[in-house]
Amino acid sequence: GAGVSQSPSNKVTEKGKDVELRCDPISGHTALYWYRQSLGQGLEFLIYFQGNSAPDKSGLPSDRFSAERTGGSVSTLTIQRTQQEDSAVYLCASSLEPNQPQHFGDGTRLSIL
Amino acid sequence: AQSVTQPDIHITVSEGASLELRCNYSYGATPYLFWYVQSPGQGLQLLLKYFSGDTLVQGIKGFEAEFKRSQSSFNLRKPSVHWSDAAEYFCAVGEIQGAQKLVFGQGTRLTINP
Repeated sequence: GAGVSQSPSNKVTEKGKDVELRCDPISGHTALYWYRQSLGQGLEFLIYFQGNSAPDKSGLPSDRFSAERTGGSVSTLTIQRTQQEDSAVYLCASSLEPNQPQHFGDGTRLSIL
Repeated sequence: AQSVTQPDIHITVSEGASLELRCNYSYGATPYLFWYVQSPGQGLQLLLKYFSGDTLVQGIKGFEAEFKRSQSSFNLRKPSVHWSDAAEYFCAVGEIQGAQKLVFGQGTRLTINP
């Protein structure tokens, strides 16, 4: 497919478990972003990757959240010791260059029981 | 800090009627401005963007938006809505240079009456 692909589309897990969310950006896009969409907080920036540069982690809400981007392509967002307030839709976006419009995936809906 | 305000949480219009969704931003300089649309269960689709130049920008699906610096506004308009326009609409601002760590408004949910 030509778009941003995210998996899984839905994830239900128990409080305290770790989860991994995956993002496949559009081929050739150098910039990759993670956002979180929740009822209480709306859409929030989490983390940004650009090429081989160190990621901008300024939006991560706690040290339980981490992300990596391997080979400048696929990215994984990891949440450790999940809490109920982590329940949200996690959206990934990519852009050709940092100041170009972002293309979003359909998101992963995460539910913490 | 940047911020975006969408004053209307929910708007209902009749099919065929005109539409205007409001967006006000707070930013130190002229930002990059975007409108995105989100249908249930889906990601965000870019409707249009303003970077510089002509303050009236045209987007997809017949939408347009006008940047008004004096009012710090970037309102979205459509002359005649269709039932398929029912969705949630988000206004966003981004940095002019470097990473576009978008700041979004709270969104406006649009309902279309037949």
